[in-house]
Amino acid sequence: DVKVTQSSRYLVKRTGEKVFLECVQDMDHENMFWYRQDPGLGLRLIYFSYDVKMKEKGDIPEGYSVSREKKERFSLILESASTNQTSMYLCASSDRDSGNTIYFGEGSWLTVV
Amino acid sequence: GIQVEQSPPDLILQEGANSTLRCNFSDSVNNLQWFHQNPWGQLINLFYIPSGTKQNGRLSATTVATERYSLLYISSSQTTDSGVYFCAVFGSGGYNKLIFGAGTRLAVHP
Repeated sequence: DVKVTQSSRYLVKRTGEKVFLECVQDMDHENMFWYRQDPGLGLRLIYFSYDVKMKEKGDIPEGYSVSREKKERFSLILESASTNQTSMYLCASSDRDSGNTIYFGEGSWLTVV
Repeated sequence: GIQVEQSPPDLILQEGANSTLRCNFSDSVNNLQWFHQNPWGQLINLFYIPSGTKQNGRLSATTVATERYSLLYISSSQTTDSGVYFCAVFGSGGYNKLIFGAGTRLAVHP
């Protein structure tokens, strides 16, 4: 089974802190994604990566950056956390050659105080 | 861009009942997936179904791409079916971005 692992399930951070959310997938997928999910707004794409060191902005990249130094790992970085970044963050991966079926991690609940 | 609409937004069932969830999309797509998000937030991929019909146990899905809709059928519902069901599509043109509907929130009561 495909496994997408997010390192932290629950985090509480202070405004202004730098926050790292880590995601690792074990199926050698080319594509990796970061979404955030908020009540009433559904899932929104922050960034995605289609290869090592490659990244593209999604719908809401402001306030975020990403890093993909290795194929299996995709990190989301909040350079200076703000309260409006309190949300659930979902990492996902997909294989370009299998119809882009996408697999999600368990989610990271981030609270910025 | 492509719009994805799901109906109904909320659904309450007694255990054992059947239900149909609908997903409409506004343009041609080359991918459609159904997901179940459990109460703990985990999104589970149910079906990858750009066209045709698939079945997996009590769940089945049908996509009619020419008419721009997909249906998810849940038969003999169980309390563990509760959660939110999302459909999502990739737009045409190969842009690798999944567009989600707002979801159908299902509650199955014993």
